Amino acid sequence: AQSVTQLDSQVPVFEEAPVELRCNYSSSVSVYLFWYVQYPNQGLQLLLKYLSGSTLVESINGFEAEFNKSQTSFHLRKPSVHISDTAEYFCAALPAAGTYKYIFGTGTRLKVLA
Amino acid sequence: NAGVTQTPKFQVLKTGQSMTLQCAQDMNHEYMSWYRQDPGMGLRLIHYSVGAGITDQGEVPNGYNVSRSTTEDFPLRLLSAAPSQTSVYFCASTEQGPPYEQYFGPGTRLTVT
Repeated sequence: AQSVTQLDSQVPVFEEAPVELRCNYSSSVSVYLFWYVQYPNQGLQLLLKYLSGSTLVESINGFEAEFNKSQTSFHLRKPSVHISDTAEYFCAALPAAGTYKYIFGTGTRLKVLA
Repeated sequence: NAGVTQTPKFQVLKTGQSMTLQCAQDMNHEYMSWYRQDPGMGLRLIHYSVGAGITDQGEVPNGYNVSRSTTEDFPLRLLSAAPSQTSVYFCASTEQGPPYEQYFGPGTRLTVT
């Protein structure tokens, strides 16, 4: 069975400071990995994904994540956060073959402080 | 493109009542899913469908039914609502093959009293 762990339920950080949101996965098969963001009272939207190729993936708004197979991690980072980054972030995994059953972590609430 | 639409946005039910949460997508996606979101528990898969006429159970299917008579629509039925079903419900759709992005609806906030 697959699982996704986000150990930090809340991360407060000051504006313009760097941030890292941690994600670890457990799977006996290859997985694709995703980060989704949920702004208040909205649905989720894709932030970035790793399917194959370069292990470092980037989003259009300055976030990046690195797939680390040996540590089974896919941590999300941003070198300088803005107030507008305040949201909940979900890590998700999808087995690379079969069912289209995504597995989500429990989410990390990022609060950017002025 | 409207994307994924869900109705209603809010609903209050009494214990034992039934209702249907509607979900529709206009992107011709084969795969559709229903999730519930509860504080501290992330998104949990209720039911999913890999195409018209094909549905399967997810992680937390008890108390919910689904059907998929068309590619566009994927309604979720609560047969006899219970307070434990108080949650925010999201519908999502995905096209077959890469990039495997899920497109989410805006959600339905359900309260069962």
